[in-house]
Amino acid sequence: SQQGEEDPQALSIQEGENATMNCSYKTSINNLQWYRQNSGRGLVHLILIRSNEREKHSGRLRVTLDTSKKSSSLLITASRAADTASYFCATDAGQGAQKLVFGQGTRLTINP
Amino acid sequence: NAGVMQNPRHLVRRRGQEARLRCSPMKGHSHVYWYRQLPEEGLKFMVYLQKENIIDESGMPKERFSAEFPKEGPSILRIQQVVRGDSAAYFCASSPRQRGITDTQYFGPGTRLTVL
Repeated sequence: SQQGEEDPQALSIQEGENATMNCSYKTSINNLQWYRQNSGRGLVHLILIRSNEREKHSGRLRVTLDTSKKSSSLLITASRAADTASYFCATDAGQGAQKLVFGQGTRLTINP
Repeated sequence: NAGVMQNPRHLVRRRGQEARLRCSPMKGHSHVYWYRQLPEEGLKFMVYLQKENIIDESGMPKERFSAEFPKEGPSILRIQQVVRGDSAAYFCASSPRQRGITDTQYFGPGTRLTVL
């Protein structure tokens, strides 16, 4: 099974509302990252949170990490149409491995 | 600073042909990663390279796929005798010198391979 699993798989909200996406993982990690992917495009790095951090903010983004539950959440406040994209969490594979392990992603749609 | 560059952006091949995908990392980055993304799925790790060295190829199919990152020039992902199942988006990422733990990887725009 996958290291990272996002929930929900798809989310549709009205512009201005907040969007929350969750990610669960299975093994110990050094850090967790969130990426955004617009349709047909590459990935844009949003935020990295290390295993000794519990919360991190970047503009309208807020990421939490609960290592005891092996879960993370990404909150986008005051959503905009331009936030429409797929969002992926990615974890390192642990044990010094450099590769990232991605979940299936959450497809977020912001309705005007 | 230019970001990670990949070319071509779109590649169409017939079954049995070879596909060569190129990736130029960000300036100052010496670590390159290749990932594959099937439609409606997340990215799957294929291979991790440093200059002239393959560090981790645990995600790469044993046959038909190879990767290199020469001392000079871009990293190349090569797929020989392509099959329809190879149709996917292939993304390259790069990162600066590692400090012992996985750091932020910066992704290119991807190459979309279509096998007819």
